[in-house]
Amino acid sequence: EIVLTQSPATLSMSPEDRATLSCRASQSVTSNLAWYQQKPGQAPRLLIYGASTRATGIPARFTGSGSGTEFTLTISGLQSEDFAVYYCQHYNDWPYTFGQGTKLEIE
Amino acid sequence: EVQLVESGGGLVKPGGSLRLSCAASEMTFRNYGMSWVRQAPGKGLEWVSSSSSSGSYKFYAESVKGRFTISRDNAKSLLFLQMNNLRVEDTAVYFCAREGDDTLTGYSPSWFDPWGQGTLVTVSS
Repeated sequence: EIVLTQSPATLSMSPEDRATLSCRASQSVTSNLAWYQQKPGQAPRLLIYGASTRATGIPARFTGSGSGTEFTLTISGLQSEDFAVYYCQHYNDWPYTFGQGTKLEIE
Repeated sequence: EVQLVESGGGLVKPGGSLRLSCAASEMTFRNYGMSWVRQAPGKGLEWVSSSSSSGSYKFYAESVKGRFTISRDNAKSLLFLQMNNLRVEDTAVYFCAREGDDTLTGYSPSWFDPWGQGTLVTVSS
């Protein structure tokens, strides 16, 4: 099973800041990595797939990068609606696994 | 807009059973792989099970293997999760989620988009 480790666990930022979230895989997942945003009481929402492709309707301030074992989600110009929990997920093979999440909170 | 609506959650005693359903609309259900993902209260996301579009291929997390069964009715656009011998640690919100269209290229691992709103399963005596 591939273990995904996200860092930091909590990120305190201010609106208009740039946030950088990390996801590290225990073995290579090539580019088979997705990012999701989840707000309290809601289902996760797909942001990025293929490590760097934005899903339909996702603003350009969300950028995914990386391959192999190291991945980054960058959110430029944080908006109030961006404060949420973010998860990475690999789909290189079954079993799928998720990172433990990064909570992006307002400083 | 694609919609996924889960139902069937509730309170059940340890050792009991529940059957979850996920109703899909505004999509050609029979073309897509589908999955169940759960989230224990205050915790992260855990993949539970996946099914290919035809139902021929099924995958399970080790934590539920032998106790849970995924199935689907493509004629009715329904996905199911039969959960037997439930444990306290199965308490979670269960989400269904769509995977990729596997009719042309065969079933392969995929991201999840969209997700349903979830149904809460509580296992407690």
